Amino acid sequence: DAGVTQSPTHLIKTRGQQVTLRCSPISGHKSVSWYQQVLGQGPQFIFQYYEKEERGRGNFPDRFSARQFPNYSSELNVNALLLGDSALYLCASRTGGRDDGYTFGSGTRLTVV
Amino acid sequence: KNQVEQSPQSLIILEGKNCTLQCNYTVSPFSNLRWYKQDTGRGPVSLTIMTFSENTKSNGRYTATLDADTKQSSLHITASQLSDSASYICVVSAEGGKLIFGQGTELSVKP
Repeated sequence: DAGVTQSPTHLIKTRGQQVTLRCSPISGHKSVSWYQQVLGQGPQFIFQYYEKEERGRGNFPDRFSARQFPNYSSELNVNALLLGDSALYLCASRTGGRDDGYTFGSGTRLTVV
Repeated sequence: KNQVEQSPQSLIILEGKNCTLQCNYTVSPFSNLRWYKQDTGRGPVSLTIMTFSENTKSNGRYTATLDADTKQSSLHITASQLSDSASYICVVSAEGGKLIFGQGTELSVKP
């Protein structure tokens, strides 16, 4: 059984550009969450989606947006990229309802130059 | 404010030695606490998960303890191996399933 898959694994963008990151949850997992992890720090919560609806949002600007599709996969979009957006972006999925099934993907390493 | 603090920030030990990592939290209401191992550039991998009613849980050479009264947890690693070198993150689940992450402890195991 495949784990949480994220794509791409690495990405280099220029300031001001837009980026879309993708996440496929474990089969049967209906909840997807996104996290930003700056080098040397713990992950910071960005969004949580369950059954295609936003269930939570962290303290991130409106440049960050996300959505969840009928097959429970998810995309994270970041507009007008800043140098400070350079980070490892992690996706985690769980079954939903109870929070004892979180599994993380390997992340997408975004570098903004 | 919901916070999770870990100590030490970094730790260097010799292969074969034991070590203990600490986690203090102020998350309320508390659902559960997890310890994750994160290799550089990779996603976190769950080691243990504990609810407030559990005091100890083991996973191979990893043993986690939880004191819900003092809101402290520890992760003990026995007979360390070179592959244990990683960041160990304490994660507490708050209301609604929101995860509160600690900053992590960077463990280096030297031969």
